[in-house]
Amino acid sequence: SQQGEEDPQALSIQEGENATMNCSYKTSINNLQWYRQNSGRGLVHLILIRSNEREKHSGRLRVTLDTSKKSSSLLITASRAADTASYFCATDARAGTASKLTFGTGTRLQVTL
Amino acid sequence: DTAVSQTPKYLVTQMGNDKSIKCEQNLGHDTMYWYKQDSKKFLKIMFSYNNKELIINETVPNRFSPKSPDKAHLNLHINSLELGDSAVYFCASSPGSGGYTFGSGTRLTVV
Repeated sequence: SQQGEEDPQALSIQEGENATMNCSYKTSINNLQWYRQNSGRGLVHLILIRSNEREKHSGRLRVTLDTSKKSSSLLITASRAADTASYFCATDARAGTASKLTFGTGTRLQVTL
Repeated sequence: DTAVSQTPKYLVTQMGNDKSIKCEQNLGHDTMYWYKQDSKKFLKIMFSYNNKELIINETVPNRFSPKSPDKAHLNLHINSLELGDSAVYFCASSPGSGGYTFGSGTRLTVV
């Protein structure tokens, strides 16, 4: 069954603005990851946050994790047109020794000039 | 120097046919996966192999049969294709912990 729900489903902003996407999940996790998918392309790993971490930064990306609320957010600061893509959160809940990523529904981000 | 490569990129075939998708990774990762992305962009895991051994098999019809001849390769064979099999299939690999590296996908259209 689907693990994560993302909010909003679609987001349209102007270049230079910040974009915030939220993700909620249902079960205990080992880590949570965010991926970007450009139209017609594969997924690109952006950032991973472990279950014992609360915040992580990578360039213009900031991810938070609240395990008590089973939620995460991805903030993209000073957005650019090239950030236009779908963004997915994915939770890693180990099945025994196996890593198993379960994806959310995705947020479509449109950044206009 | 592509990290995860899958072929073909596009596949159009008739119902009832059998087809295969190939995947190779040159990252030295132990674990490989097949994911299916439907028309609503929802991604669902199908299979996972660790060093040639099947470790995850989600409720996938047995018309789908993965094969891993070595830890760098994971192929997907589909028998008796149905209209509902139309989707984008992604191969991925991971080092066991950490981010996954995805291939560029195979868009399968069953007509």
